[in-house]
Amino acid sequence: QKEVEQNSGPLSVPEGAIASLNCTYSDRGSQSFFWYRQYSGKSPELIMSIYSNGDKEDGRFTAQLNKASQYVSLLIRDSQPSDSATYLCAVGGNTGNQFYFGTGTSLTVIP
Amino acid sequence: EADIYQTPRYLVIGTGKKITLECSQTMGHDKMYWYQQDPGMELHLIHYSYGVNSTEKGDLSSESTVSRIRTEHFPLTLESARPSHTSQYLCASSGRVYNSPLHFGNGTRLTVT
Repeated sequence: QKEVEQNSGPLSVPEGAIASLNCTYSDRGSQSFFWYRQYSGKSPELIMSIYSNGDKEDGRFTAQLNKASQYVSLLIRDSQPSDSATYLCAVGGNTGNQFYFGTGTSLTVIP
Repeated sequence: EADIYQTPRYLVIGTGKKITLECSQTMGHDKMYWYQQDPGMELHLIHYSYGVNSTEKGDLSSESTVSRIRTEHFPLTLESARPSHTSQYLCASSGRVYNSPLHFGNGTRLTVT
């Protein structure tokens, strides 16, 4: 079983819709959770960090964490074509030094 | 804003050549990492360092080596490049604060002919 699991997609949503990306992880001791956006041919860019159960909002992005169920999600409201990218879920190991990445979910926002 | 720099941005080199990919960060981060990523594929950790004179191999078997003589500098060396080394190499760093996120450089796209 992989440390971090994501649906690979592709996920397609129309412009203006809400895109929902999900991620599950296996290590109950994990304390930190991150979402990265990666455009084709570019490096991953940090868009959200979340450490506590509940929701964290930043502009059009909302990260949701449920440690009991071991899942973390990312909602993108009012999706724009510029949001089309691969979104990587990353989980920090319980030592704070290691990072475990999912395989990424490809999102396409259709104009 | 993270400041982590990788050079060169693109490199095309012949088989058998020795190459060094440079990575520097200006944030004083203790932790630095090298990842390898093929197009459309997942990230693979190849090397990491938690501080000066500390280096470890990652999950992916790699023929590369790294060094960490200075906090800000974490170069990756391939002694003899092969076509199988063709890939994107991403350097990243993380701060001293527990659970700090990773910040990535722009990457080096290596092609071995």
